[in-house]
Amino acid sequence: QVQLVQSGAEVKKPGASVKVSCQASGYRFNVNFIHWIRQAPGQGLEWMGWVNPHSGDTNYDQKFRARVIMTRDTSISTVYMELSRLTSDDTAIYYCARDPMHGDYPFYHFDYWGQGTLVTVSS
Amino acid sequence: DIQMAQSPSTLSASVGDRVTITCRASHTVSPWLAWYHQKPGKAPKLLIYKATTLQSGVPSRFSGSGSGTEFTLTISALQPDDFGTYYCQHYKSYPYNFGLGTKLEIK
Repeated sequence: QVQLVQSGAEVKKPGASVKVSCQASGYRFNVNFIHWIRQAPGQGLEWMGWVNPHSGDTNYDQKFRARVIMTRDTSISTVYMELSRLTSDDTAIYYCARDPMHGDYPFYHFDYWGQGTLVTVSS
Repeated sequence: DIQMAQSPSTLSASVGDRVTITCRASHTVSPWLAWYHQKPGKAPKLLIYKATTLQSGVPSRFSGSGSGTEFTLTISALQPDDFGTYYCQHYKSYPYNFGLGTKLEIK
């Protein structure tokens, strides 16, 4: 069965960086784009960007473009999201989610989700 | 950017009730609209995509309808497991915005 397993909760100080991992299993890792979506406490869902596990290509929402990097390691079927220059506004649960794909093209909705990683930014 | 507005923001209903949630887009997004269900402390779960297509494994009491800028999620007979928050999301074009959610409480 398809599973996305994320790394554990993080506590960071303002100005620091955080790197969250998402390990995929149960399907061919290279086929489906992986998106990152975050949810601030008690708030809605915010799309951050995607990584193509096959090519390593990425696309980021303009809001995060200057300080996010999404990468992948195909040898361990894992994608990463690194967010730098953290502020208290970045306190949120970060989810990875799989794109179901339409042939070779992303469909831009999300059929399987990781369990979420809470990132807390506090001095 | 295409903005998504959901109504109502909160809803209280009884087991067995028919429940309808509406999502309105600021520009046409048809048919690129998905619905998700999120329970407290859990990740969202895909219910409907392409406005009307039921995701595999999702109970048939859930259905989606609509076109253009107005879409509806219907639960034909509410079950206790259906509490939580429902989100719509368009994927017509970047950025792929979500609505703010409809919180469904079981009476």
